[in-house]
Amino acid sequence: DVKVTQSSRYLVKRTGEKVFLECVQDMDHENMFWYRQDPGLGLRLIYFSYDVKMKEKGDIPEGYSVSREKKERFSLILESASTNQTSMYLCASSLAGGPYEQYFGPGTRLTVT
Amino acid sequence: SQQGEEDPQALSIQEGENATMNCSYKTSINNLQWYRQNSGRGLVHLILIRSNEREKHSGRLRVTLDTSKKSSSLLITASRAADTASYFCATAFYDKVIFGPGTSLSVIP
Repeated sequence: DVKVTQSSRYLVKRTGEKVFLECVQDMDHENMFWYRQDPGLGLRLIYFSYDVKMKEKGDIPEGYSVSREKKERFSLILESASTNQTSMYLCASSLAGGPYEQYFGPGTRLTVT
Repeated sequence: SQQGEEDPQALSIQEGENATMNCSYKTSINNLQWYRQNSGRGLVHLILIRSNEREKHSGRLRVTLDTSKKSSSLLITASRAADTASYFCATAFYDKVIFGPGTSLSVIP
């Protein structure tokens, strides 16, 4: 059974803290994605990666960075968390050469106070 | 924007009824995908329809695609309480996948 896991289901951080969200997939997928989901706005792409050490900015990359040192792991970093980054963060993966369907993790609900 | 827009935003039906959700988009696509999201969870892929396909079935799901009208519909037949969820269409063009804001479906037992 295919699986995408995220390091935390719920996270509470203070303004200014550095936050790491980790995502691991076991499907040997080339592509990995980070989205944030806010009510009424759907999913918005923050960053995606199509290979190890490769990354592309999505629609809302400001305030975020990513790291992909291994094929199965894709990390999202909030360098200095702000209250407007309170959101649900979803990681996904897919095969390359598509577009193919994406497999999602359970999500991390981040609250920045 | 290529973003799909679902219609209606919210839908409430009785168990056993059929549910229809629509998605409209603006630009070219390679395929269109539908996903389901249960409350507070990640999205689950339901069905993918390619731009050269007109209709696709999967169990109780039926998806249609009309590229001339740039629209798609998702039909869930004989709905169950467990179908209560948000449903998203996603338009895909090469590696770019864009999700719409979703339709919230409530199935009342």
